[in-house]
Amino acid sequence: GENVEQHPSTLSVQEGDSAVIKCTYSDSASNYFPWYKQELGKRPQLIIDIRSNVGKKKDQRIAVTLNKTAKHFSLHITETQPEDSAVYFCAASIKGSARQLTFGSGTQLTVLP
Amino acid sequence: EAQVTQNPRYLITVTGKKLTVTCSQNMNHEYMSWYRQDPGLGLRQIYYSMNVEVTDKGDVPEGYKVSRKEKRNFPLILESPSPNQTSLYFCASSLGKFTDTQYFGPGTRLTVL
Repeated sequence: GENVEQHPSTLSVQEGDSAVIKCTYSDSASNYFPWYKQELGKRPQLIIDIRSNVGKKKDQRIAVTLNKTAKHFSLHITETQPEDSAVYFCAASIKGSARQLTFGSGTQLTVLP
Repeated sequence: EAQVTQNPRYLITVTGKKLTVTCSQNMNHEYMSWYRQDPGLGLRQIYYSMNVEVTDKGDVPEGYKVSRKEKRNFPLILESPSPNQTSLYFCASSLGKFTDTQYFGPGTRLTVL
């Protein structure tokens, strides 16, 4: 089955700096890659996703890039703010498959004021 | 308000005492899932359901049961809980197949003594 590896497990940045979280996946058939944000004590919530026919997608300060050849995708957060502090999860799945999303192990992002 | 609800939110029980965690969604979603979240392991899927009376195993189904008798409800049953099932559990639903946005419930923190 699919295996998703996520790095780093923890990341600290100064407010205003950029943060990058990387994930690799094993199944070349995977074609949907969402990112979820989980604030402390809260439920995960989708922040951005990308499908395999697109190489990059941006939503304000958040962007995701996908390299299908290398089987990796990344989350980029620019101009980080304290409210960006949370655990971020990447995931991968195969469109049209009834199988589940496979999640990475998570990255604890801390934005230092 | 569109939402996924879970009950109870917190539960402490003893080994072997059967328990049920309820999950309900009011968005008319077809797909529902149960995940467990453990430190360093991310979110791992336990069971999922594509529609009423259609369920299937995820990555970690051992020790769990589910049922989908109604579209809105997807209870998780632990027939004989053991300490290794101590975890944070999330129910999630999505409109269609797993490439649609998953909406998570608030989580149930289970401790098995």
